Parts: sequence; structure tokens; C-alpha cells
Amino acid sequence: KQEVTQIPAALSVPEGENLVLNCSFTDSAIYNLQWFRQDPGKGLTSLLLIQSSQREQTSGRLNASLDKSSGRSTLYIAASQPGDSATYLCAVSPFTGGGNKLTFGTGTQLKVEL
Amino acid sequence: DTAVSQTPKYLVTQMGNDKSIKCEQNLGHDTMYWYKQDSKKFLKIMFSYNNKELIINETVPNRFSPKSPDKAHLNLHINSLELGDSAVYFCASSSPEVAGTSSTDTQYFGPGTRLTVL
Repeated sequence: KQEVTQIPAALSVPEGENLVLNCSFTDSAIYNLQWFRQDPGKGLTSLLLIQSSQREQTSGRLNASLDKSSGRSTLYIAASQPGDSATYLCAVSPFTGGGNKLTFGTGTQLKVEL
Repeated sequence: DTAVSQTPKYLVTQMGNDKSIKCEQNLGHDTMYWYKQDSKKFLKIMFSYNNKELIINETVPNRFSPKSPDKAHLNLHINSLELGDSAVYFCASSSPEVAGTSSTDTQYFGPGTRLTVL
């Protein structure tokens, strides 16, 4: 059974810092990994999707890496801003048929302070 | 131009009641999902439909019954509500390249329905 863990559970940084969020998964047979952002009282917004054959994806100040063999992914946020404050979730999709069944991590709650 | 919408946004009801949550997507996607986010913010998939056909059915009490009248809608009906059903329920959609297989495509989420059972 796939289990996804995110460390740290919460993180507070001053504005302008670069930071790394970690995600680990127990079953390396994944199809893809996605990073989402969730704002309080809102739904999830997809940030980046990495296919199992890829090593990293970039979007603006965000860079996500994937090391499938070791079951790890990181989300790097450069020059953090208060608007980045949110909960960040990673989720993996299994390499089997039967639909795109995402298994979510426990989330990292990020606060970027002025 | 909302992509994935859910109604209602908030639902407060008594134990034992029956309630429904509706979801609609205007993205032209083939696959829709229901997820439950509990009080500890843990998100877990409940159901997935592809072109009105059930393809994922996790271990969920049979009090929960999804219904897909067409591929743009996926509703969730809950019978005999219990205190433990209190959670935020999220609908999502995606467009797999091949029906019934893992997709390269991103899932788009609705804003959620916060269900409180008293």
C-alpha cells in the first residue's frame, strides 16, 4: 500500500528566503507525482506534475525534482513571498490501470512572513 | 468561467439525515473524482468515474453512493449521515489519454463542500 509522507509538517520563513519541501513515498512504482497548493477554505491548485521518466519540472520560482528509485521528491521555492503562504501537498499516481488514483501526502503548511 | 464547481459550499445537518452534494465540470474532461479531506487535512480518494462508468471505488461505507448522469456531472449522495462523515468533500476532474489507465493529465479540483454532521 502506497504511503506518502511530507516533511516538515509546518514551516515558517522570512520573506525572500529560498526553501525546500520534502515528499517521500514507499512504493516507487509510480506513474507521476504532482505538487498542489491549498489555500485555507479553498480547493487544490496544481503547481507541477512530473512524469516518472522525468527528473524535474520548473514553473516560475518553483522547481520540483523526482528521484523515483529512492522514493523522494522535493519542491524548491525561490525568493519566497507572503503570497506563497499555503499548505503544499504532494500526490502520486500508481503505475497500474484502474484510473488516476492519487495518494496524497500529509502536507506542509508554509508561512512566509514579512 | 468556473472549471469545477460544487454545491453547496457548506452543509450542516443532523445525524441520520440523507444529503447530496453536486459537482459539475465544464472542462470537457472524461473522468471525475470524489475525495474526502478529514479534520487532520488528510485527503483520500473515494470514487472515480470515467464516461459515467465507475472505475475507482475505495473502501467507503455503502451509505455513500455516487451518481454520474453525464460525464460533466458527478453527484455524491450520503444516506444516514454519521458524525464521522463530517469533512470537506472535494470533486475533481481530469482527462486521461486512455480510459481506465493512469493519466499524464493534471486533476483539477473544485472548491470543496464542508459537511458538518451534528
